[in-house]
Amino acid sequence: DIQMTQSPSTLSASVGDRVTITCRASQSISNWLAWYQQKPGKVPKLLIYQASSLESGVPSRFSGSGSGPEFTLTISSLQPDDFATYYCQQSTHFGGGTKVEIK
Amino acid sequence: QVQLVQSGAEVKKPGASVKVSCKASGYTFTNYAVHWVRQAPGQGLEWMGWINTVNTKYSQNFQGRVTITRDTSASTAYMELSSLRSEDTAVYYCARGANAAFDIWGQGTMVTVSS
Repeated sequence: DIQMTQSPSTLSASVGDRVTITCRASQSISNWLAWYQQKPGKVPKLLIYQASSLESGVPSRFSGSGSGPEFTLTISSLQPDDFATYYCQQSTHFGGGTKVEIK
Repeated sequence: QVQLVQSGAEVKKPGASVKVSCKASGYTFTNYAVHWVRQAPGQGLEWMGWINTVNTKYSQNFQGRVTITRDTSASTAYMELSSLRSEDTAVYYCARGANAAFDIWGQGTMVTVSS
């Protein structure tokens, strides 16, 4: 069974910082990888699909890159609205999440 | 607009079953799969299963306990989970599958299992 490992599990950052989150698959996978943002008590929101395609309406400060088995989500300049938990997903497997906190 | 609207919160006793509905609108229901994902309190996202026009597939973690069906005439998908235990207390989401991702999510249904 494929395992998706995100790192770090928690990240402390300041507004304006460049933030990078990594997702590694336990075996080589296709580039069908997605990233989601979830705020407390809210529904997950799709940010990136197919590893690097930006979902409609998502700010351009979010970007995805990489290829199996390692992928990254980058926030170029962290905004107050970006403090949340981020999940990667490949097929039916989710990563454990990365919580982005205020430093 | 494109949306998925789920049924309301449920409280069930251990051993009982729960059935959650997910009504689609704003798009052609039969053109997309519907997935079910759950999230226990304070935990991450867990995929449960999916249904499309001809297939259903379930996570082995729920084998034998989860059944996903759909009524195309009502543009509605259903997820039924049986033999409930306290560990099944979670928010249950339906989500539309597109480009190997989940692009539209329902608002979530809280299921509480408690004696």
